Amino acid sequence: AQTVTQSQPEMSVQEAETVTLSCTYDTSENNYYLFWYKQPPSRQMILVIRQEAYKQQNATENRFSVNFQKAAKSFSLKISDSQLGDTAMYFCAFMNTGTASKLTFGTGTRLQVTL
Amino acid sequence: DVKVTQSSRYLVKRTGEKVFLECVQDMDHENMFWYRQDPGLGLRLIYFSYDVKMKEKGDIPEGYSVSREKKERFSLILESASTNQTSMYLCASSWDSNQPQHFGDGTRLSIL
Repeated sequence: AQTVTQSQPEMSVQEAETVTLSCTYDTSENNYYLFWYKQPPSRQMILVIRQEAYKQQNATENRFSVNFQKAAKSFSLKISDSQLGDTAMYFCAFMNTGTASKLTFGTGTRLQVTL
Repeated sequence: DVKVTQSSRYLVKRTGEKVFLECVQDMDHENMFWYRQDPGLGLRLIYFSYDVKMKEKGDIPEGYSVSREKKERFSLILESASTNQTSMYLCASSWDSNQPQHFGDGTRLSIL
């Protein structure tokens, strides 16, 4: 079974600064997907970024980028130019290919962006 | 945009009651999921379905059942609610096996 570990329960960053959220996972599979989801106080889970394991290039989405280290089974999220609207819970998630897109989630990191 | 709608945002029920949580998606997605979210535990998969009338157990199915009679609707059933089922419940759907999931707004369920 896969496991996903987020070792930072809470983090804080000042507006306009950069922050990195950590995620490690454990799997014996070679092909899989990794995701970061954001859950603001409104509660809806929003997909932030997605990485396919067979792609060596790190995914980016505007101010959000990942550092995917397949050998180390590490998948960190970097948020640049942090904004107040980035305040949320962030969940790292793992998905095997071909398994009805079942997700395994980490326990989450609560990010607070301050003025 | 994909819309996943959960019937209630907040729900209060009593122990022993049979509770239904409803979820509807409007994008003809094949797969649908029910999770519960608890502080410090993240999201845990209860049940999922990859087709009408098909269901599979997730990681924590005990005390729950599901129904998928139509492709767009996936119901979570608490047969006899207990206080340890007080939680946030999230429904999600996805197009196929390799596509990301889209989530509803969640139902915060309290069992008294």
